[in-house]
Amino acid sequence: DAMVIQNPRYQVTQFGKPVTLSCSQTLNHNVMYWYQQKSSQAPKLLFHYYDKDFNNEADTPDNFQSRRPNTSFCFLDIRSPGLGDAAMYLCATSTGLNTEAFFGQGTRLTVV
Amino acid sequence: ELKVEQNPLFLSMQEGKNYTIYCNYSTTSDRLYWYRQDPGKSLESLFVLLSNGAVKQEGRLMASLDTKARLSTLHITAAVHDLSATYFCAVVRGAQKLVFGQGTRLTINP
Repeated sequence: DAMVIQNPRYQVTQFGKPVTLSCSQTLNHNVMYWYQQKSSQAPKLLFHYYDKDFNNEADTPDNFQSRRPNTSFCFLDIRSPGLGDAAMYLCATSTGLNTEAFFGQGTRLTVV
Repeated sequence: ELKVEQNPLFLSMQEGKNYTIYCNYSTTSDRLYWYRQDPGKSLESLFVLLSNGAVKQEGRLMASLDTKARLSTLHITAAVHDLSATYFCAVVRGAQKLVFGQGTRLTINP
């Protein structure tokens, strides 16, 4: 059974049109992460939540925002997607204690 | 700033051979993770290494951690085609963050 679920699996959006990616978890983990992975590159952390505490990476563009309305759900909002934002977006969770991260299946974003 | 470097980045090998992937990191950490990623798929956790000298084995893969040398190895024994994938090591930074290496793309040929 999937424990970290991302929707949709594939998303096509127009240049400049806001888009939201979603992540849900059944693990009741405290920490939820969003990573961006471009082709043939390592995942890059965008931000994470520890419970309701939001932690932004210093080099994450302002174009990327996140919301966590409750423990189970976390959203990634891209306000004005550019061609360079096309990537796989990975959601992960952890307890925050040993930080082993469990990844969702990812959402592949295409910007046209 | 924590940097994680893998070597090699690309590895093509024949079935039945042995090889090792190396992961070096720049600052002190006592937790290291290995992940596997198939093309177009997400990351699958392989090993969690939590202390100096830790060694874990699963099938044809064995991972080890030397925190003094800031080095982890992923050893492949008698490779089979099904092990073809990209392998990432990741090191903890701060309380909750993982920093990934560049990944090693492994191709195993019949």
